[in-house]
Amino acid sequence: AQSVTQLDSQVPVFEEAPVELRCNYSSSVSVYLFWYVQYPNQGLQLLLKYLSGSTLVKGINGFEAEFNKSQTSFHLRKPSVHISDTAEYFCALFSGKLIFGQGTTLQVKP
Amino acid sequence: EAEVAQSPRYKITEKSQAVAFWCDPISGHATLYWYRQILGQGPELLVQFQDESVVDDSQLPKDRFSAERLKGVDSTLKIQPAELGDSAMYLCASSLEGSRAFFGQGTRLTVV
Repeated sequence: AQSVTQLDSQVPVFEEAPVELRCNYSSSVSVYLFWYVQYPNQGLQLLLKYLSGSTLVKGINGFEAEFNKSQTSFHLRKPSVHISDTAEYFCALFSGKLIFGQGTTLQVKP
Repeated sequence: EAEVAQSPRYKITEKSQAVAFWCDPISGHATLYWYRQILGQGPELLVQFQDESVVDDSQLPKDRFSAERLKGVDSTLKIQPAELGDSAMYLCASSLEGSRAFFGQGTRLTVV
């Protein structure tokens, strides 16, 4: 069975500091990997995706993620965060169906 | 950009009543998902359709929940009877294939 584990439930960080949100996955078959962002009382918006090819993928709003097959990880990074990045972030995998991790709350402080 | 439409945005219902949510996916998207998201948690897949057929409903509480996608376009998720523990955000998403799912704004259900 496939699963997604987000290692941090909350990540507080100061504005303009770098941030990393960690995601590990488990699957016996090849998967597609995604990061989504959710603002309060909204649906999910795609930040970036890994389907194949280069292991470093760039997304919207300055986010990027690196696929590491040996570590079964797909960590999300941003070199300098803004107050507006405060939101819930979800890692997800697709292998026939789309399943999500429990989410990480990114709290950007001024 | 085309969007997934959901209605209503908010719904308050009394326990033991019936409630229904509607979703209209992006035109041409064969795959449709319904998720339940309890506050502070990740979305939990309830049911996945491929066209009009159910692909996965292993996590759907079938004693009270039902879902249909007649004609393989829009979809309805029903709860009867609603329970207090059903209070959550219900999200619909659609996908052309596995490369990306587009989400609607969700329906926030409160059972009182």
